[in-house]
Amino acid sequence: NAGVTQTPKFQVLKTGQSMTLQCAQDMNHNSMYWYRQDPGMGLRLIYYSASEGTTDKGEVPNGYNVSRLNKREFSLRLESAAPSQTSVYFCASRAGLRGSNQPQHFGDGTRLSIL
Amino acid sequence: AQSVSQHNHHVILSEAASLELGCNYSYGGTVNLFWYVQYPGQHLQLLLKYFSGDPLVKGIKGFEAEFIKSKFSFNLRKPSVQWSDTAEYFCAVITSGGYQKVTFGTGTKLQVIP
Repeated sequence: NAGVTQTPKFQVLKTGQSMTLQCAQDMNHNSMYWYRQDPGMGLRLIYYSASEGTTDKGEVPNGYNVSRLNKREFSLRLESAAPSQTSVYFCASRAGLRGSNQPQHFGDGTRLSIL
Repeated sequence: AQSVSQHNHHVILSEAASLELGCNYSYGGTVNLFWYVQYPGQHLQLLLKYFSGDPLVKGIKGFEAEFIKSKFSFNLRKPSVQWSDTAEYFCAVITSGGYQKVTFGTGTKLQVIP
């Protein structure tokens, strides 16, 4: 079982470039999430999608956009990358909807550096 | 808004020492609580979870956590740590109901010295 798959695993961008991080899950989960992880700050929620067709802002949405393309896929886009967006990005999914007592499943992360 | 606090940012223990990592949350309603572990260079993995019932929950690798509702706490414990427990540990909360937002604490880095 693949679980949650993120691509790419590593990326280096120049300031001002755009980039889309891809995330796909094969567990038929309803909810999907994007986090960034920075030293000493834990995981901060960027955007989430409670169900197909809906997206909501998390704690740190500025500079990002998301698309819930279908039930499987949830992409994160940086329209104009800034050095402050250098981070490790994690996608997660969980069953959701029929009970909030399900844990999240995480992808392996994308290490993004903005020069 | 819900929030999660982990007061210990970095903990260093010798092998066989006992471990307790603090987690406090702020939310007045019903919550579901989780502890995740992140080994170096890896993604987060679920250690244990609390939904309802017995407030003492047991997870993988000998970890356990106790939910104390009156203290809004969900502390993680292990009687005897091993070098392989070196990792970062995150507490997370999800509020009950249809709202699917998950909030994480800032994490605690545990270093176990052989």
